[in-house]
Amino acid sequence: EVILVESGGDLVQPGGSLRLSCVASGFTVSTNYMSWVRQAPGKGLEWVSIIYAGGTTYYADSVKDRFTISRDNSKNTLYLQMNSLRAEDTAVYYCARAPTVTTNFDCWGQGTLVTVSS
Amino acid sequence: DIQMTQSPSSLSASVGDSVTITCRAGQSIGIYLNWYQQKPGKAPKLLISSASSLQRGVPSRFSGSASGTDFTLTITSLQPEDLATYYCQQSYSHPTFGQGTRLEIK
Repeated sequence: EVILVESGGDLVQPGGSLRLSCVASGFTVSTNYMSWVRQAPGKGLEWVSIIYAGGTTYYADSVKDRFTISRDNSKNTLYLQMNSLRAEDTAVYYCARAPTVTTNFDCWGQGTLVTVSS
Repeated sequence: DIQMTQSPSSLSASVGDSVTITCRAGQSIGIYLNWYQQKPGKAPKLLISSASSLQRGVPSRFSGSASGTDFTLTITSLQPEDLATYYCQQSYSHPTFGQGTRLEIK
């Protein structure tokens, strides 16, 4: 069974940092296209970042130069390092798998809540 | 970024009805269009990929179609468990989502 489990969400002050983790089971993170997608309270879905199977990374303009996506192949885990957090980064963060470069997200985690507030 | 315009933003229908949700892409995206269902408090679930390919295990009352830059999700014989918000997403370039359609069951 393919499962994704996120963790690391927390309450953090503006300007602070946080690292989210997403542990995968039932498949190999490094051979898939892994993304982070967020959803602000009561709002729609917003793509945040992707890491390709080959290791190339891309970011939404709203998080570029502040967030870093990475993976640990030995732990089959995806990460999102978030720096210089802003109130508008408050959201539930989902990790999602796409088996090919045409990002059909066929598996999602349960989400982890990040709240940025003083 | 490719803008996806989804309509309506909400709709209400009765059990057994058919409903259609539309998504328009801001430029040509071929058939690189996916549909997701998000039930309250849950993660999204992929229903349809490549505009019309039903995912395994998704009921056949869900269907998708494409015409140029316009895409539709149709749900026939609406069931109570179809209460959800539905999103389109283009996968032609870096992913972008429509704003969502909240479906209420009368």
